[in-house]
Amino acid sequence: AQKVTQAQTEISVVEKEDVTLDCVYETRDTTYYLFWYKQPPSGELVFLIRRNSFDEQNEISGRYSWNFQKSTSSFNFTITASQVVDSAVYFCALSEAGQAGTALIFGKGTTLSVSS
Amino acid sequence: GAGVSQTPSNKVTEKGKYVELRCDPISGHTALYWYRQSLGQGPEFLIYFQGTGAADDSGLPNDRFFAVRPEGSVSTLKIQRTERGDSAVYLCASRQTSYGTGELFFGEGSRLTVL
Repeated sequence: AQKVTQAQTEISVVEKEDVTLDCVYETRDTTYYLFWYKQPPSGELVFLIRRNSFDEQNEISGRYSWNFQKSTSSFNFTITASQVVDSAVYFCALSEAGQAGTALIFGKGTTLSVSS
Repeated sequence: GAGVSQTPSNKVTEKGKYVELRCDPISGHTALYWYRQSLGQGPEFLIYFQGTGAADDSGLPNDRFFAVRPEGSVSTLKIQRTERGDSAVYLCASRQTSYGTGELFFGEGSRLTVL
């Protein structure tokens, strides 16, 4: 069965601190996709990244970086030099690619609060 | 449209009433998904459409919940005999195609409160 665990319920940091959001997943499939979404107070889920199970290269996009480690079934997300605008709920999600249209399974989210 | 549009943004109803929530996906997106998000939780899958047909409705909690997409575009989620436990934000998402796993584009949700 698929499962996504985000053990950190809430994280509070001060601006300019680096912060890492953890994500651990479970799946029996060898082919799957992992996602991170951001949900600001407005409520709309904003796509951040998609990573397939065959690509373990870490990715960096501006202040955001992602560390995918198959050996530990983790897909962690790091924000460097955090800003107040980064305050949001962040969700990690998993999709098994074996069947067309498979829905994303989300973790419970991590609420990040960045204070100035 | 430019994004996924959901109406109403807020709905307050009384227990036992019937509710309809509407989703207008991004133009040309063939796959449409409904999720439910309770307070402090991640979105939970309800149902997904490919075109006009419900390809997977395994997430619908019971037979009070039903969804349609008659013309393969706009979808309506229908909840009969609402209960207080149905209170949540109902999110709609669309994707260009159901094949592959491209990103889902989400609407802002419809917040349902059952008194």
